[in-house]
Amino acid sequence: EAGVAQSPRYKIIEKRQSVAFWCNPISGHATLYWYQQILGQGPKLLIQFQNNGVVDDSQLPKDRFSAERLKGVDSTLKIQPAKLEDSAVYLCASSFPGSDEQYFGPGTRLTVT
Amino acid sequence: KQEVTQIPAALSVPEGENLVLNCSFTDSAIYNLQWFRQDPGKGLTSLLLIQSSQREQTSGRLNASLDKSSGRSTLYIAASQPGDSATYLCAVRRRGAQKLVFGQGTRLTINP
Repeated sequence: EAGVAQSPRYKIIEKRQSVAFWCNPISGHATLYWYQQILGQGPKLLIQFQNNGVVDDSQLPKDRFSAERLKGVDSTLKIQPAKLEDSAVYLCASSFPGSDEQYFGPGTRLTVT
Repeated sequence: KQEVTQIPAALSVPEGENLVLNCSFTDSAIYNLQWFRQDPGKGLTSLLLIQSSQREQTSGRLNASLDKSSGRSTLYIAASQPGDSATYLCAVRRRGAQKLVFGQGTRLTINP
């Protein structure tokens, strides 16, 4: 069974530029999560989708971050414009609805200079 | 608001030792608690999951305990090996939600 796929794995941009990350969850997983992990900290949930609907986006900085999951499968997370403090690893995870098990992708490491 | 704390932030021990990692949380109304392992450049791998009604879970050389009333969990690693070197994260899930709240992790190094 293929795991959660993310791309790109690494990205370096200058502040005020825009960037987008892509996630392909495990087949059949209706729930998808985006986490932000700043160096030395644990992951923090940014947004949770159930199919293509948003369940929780309370910690998403909506002035600069956006996410979509148009067909209930793949998802993209966008930052526009990026700030230095957005430097982090962005992790995507997926699960069956209500399941205790979340499966994590390898993450995208973003460096904003 | 749930807060999860892990102490120490880093730990280095000789191979073969038994060790304990600590996790504390502020709100005891949890649904479950999970311990994850994170290797550099990789995602998180779930190690053990303890439901709120359970006191402990075991998998091989790993044993996790949960004391909800005191807001604490421990991960015990027996006979440590260099391959155990990684960052260990605990996370709690609140009843009625799927959101996980993570601690900051303990970076473990096992020296040969």
